[in-house]
Amino acid sequence: GDSVTQMEGPVTLSEEAFLTINCTYTATGYPSLFWYVQYPGEGLQLLLKATKADDKGSNKGFEATYRKETTSFHLEKGSVQVSDSAVYFCALIRGDSNYQLIWGAGTKLIIKP
Amino acid sequence: DGGITQSPKYLFRKEGQNVTLSCEQNLNHDAMYWYRQDPGQGLRLIYYSQIVNDFQKGDIAEGYSVSREKKESFPLTVTSAQKNPTAFYLCASLPGSKVTEAFFGQGTRLTVV
Repeated sequence: GDSVTQMEGPVTLSEEAFLTINCTYTATGYPSLFWYVQYPGEGLQLLLKATKADDKGSNKGFEATYRKETTSFHLEKGSVQVSDSAVYFCALIRGDSNYQLIWGAGTKLIIKP
Repeated sequence: DGGITQSPKYLFRKEGQNVTLSCEQNLNHDAMYWYRQDPGQGLRLIYYSQIVNDFQKGDIAEGYSVSREKKESFPLTVTSAQKNPTAFYLCASLPGSKVTEAFFGQGTRLTVV
């Protein structure tokens, strides 16, 4: 079945470091891919998305490129801030009529000043 | 503004009690979802509904019940049969007619006292 695999956390970085959180997926058809962010005690917010191969989603300095050849959607940011500390979830929705959300396990990011 | 509203934000339940968590959306979305999140864990699907008066069990439906009498409302009842209900509960919705991002409520934290 469809699945999403994220790198395990927590990921601990110093402020201004470069961030990569890996995400790979298995899905039939042509899924849309998403990154969500969850701050402590809150719901999930959409961070960025990509709906077809080679699309790049970007928001708030974060980027991810939909790589069909490697079935990946890695999240990157060039210079992280303490305020980026949160849990990040990778997810997909299949591109057919079955609108099922498939979630990764989440990666906790800790940024130290 | 459109969105999803979960209430209450915090809920305390005595042993053996049923409690109902509210989820209301004014986004005109067809599909709605309930997830459970335990500390440091990812999202686990409890129930989902893709159309009014119809819903399906997710991965951890035992001890929970739902109804979908109106498009905008998808309440979750945590019954006394749920042996470990203390968790963070998240409601989400999708349009259902096209592939786009899911919207989340702010969550309800349920504690058994």
